[in-house]
Amino acid sequence: EVQLVQSGAEVKKPGESLKISCKGSGYRFTSYWIAWVRQMPGKGLEWMGIIYPGDSDTRYSPSFQGQVTISAEKSISTAYLQWNSLKASDTAMYYCARPPGGTYSDAFDMWGQGTMVTVSS
Amino acid sequence: QVVLTQSPSASASLGASVKLTCTLNSGHSTYAIAWHQQQPEKGPRYLMKVKSDGSHSKGDGIPDRFSGSSSGSERYLTISSLQSEDEAEYYCQTWDTGIVFGGGTKLTVL
Repeated sequence: EVQLVQSGAEVKKPGESLKISCKGSGYRFTSYWIAWVRQMPGKGLEWMGIIYPGDSDTRYSPSFQGQVTISAEKSISTAYLQWNSLKASDTAMYYCARPPGGTYSDAFDMWGQGTMVTVSS
Repeated sequence: QVVLTQSPSASASLGASVKLTCTLNSGHSTYAIAWHQQQPEKGPRYLMKVKSDGSHSKGDGIPDRFSGSSSGSERYLTISSLQSEDEAEYYCQTWDTGIVFGGGTKLTVL
């Protein structure tokens, strides 16, 4: 079965660092882009950025450039979303998603189950 | 820069049909879009891709009640024989130099 499985919910304090993960299975992980999408409480979907695990080519939304880091580890078929210093405004559900084929310019036809990140003092 | 516009809300009765609209901004009328469904307290689910010629390709397991179409810069999602589980937020998505989402339409099944 082709799927994206994300790491569990996190509760952090402002200023702390965090790395959440998205593990792909059932397909050739290095041949498909993986995107990260933010959904703040009660709000819509926002694209954060996308990575091609095959060569780690990474693109960021201008809104998130410099705020987060997207990476991937091919050997364990896992993509990551990382913060160096969390803010309360980072409280949100984060989804990974995958477009088909070798391009990121396409529909997301697969989604992870989401990781809830809560940042509170 | 491509922008997608959706009405914030829609409603229809159980068993009826509803047509949701996603509008591409000027200069982007040839773009394909995707529709995603997000039921309450759940993650998004891919429904289908809709091209400018009206053709659409659905995701695995998406019922025949869901269909897509196009007219000009508008892309549509039609849901027929509405069921209670269709009550959800529906997002359209497109792609250019980056990925863009519409603001979502909250569908209420009466």
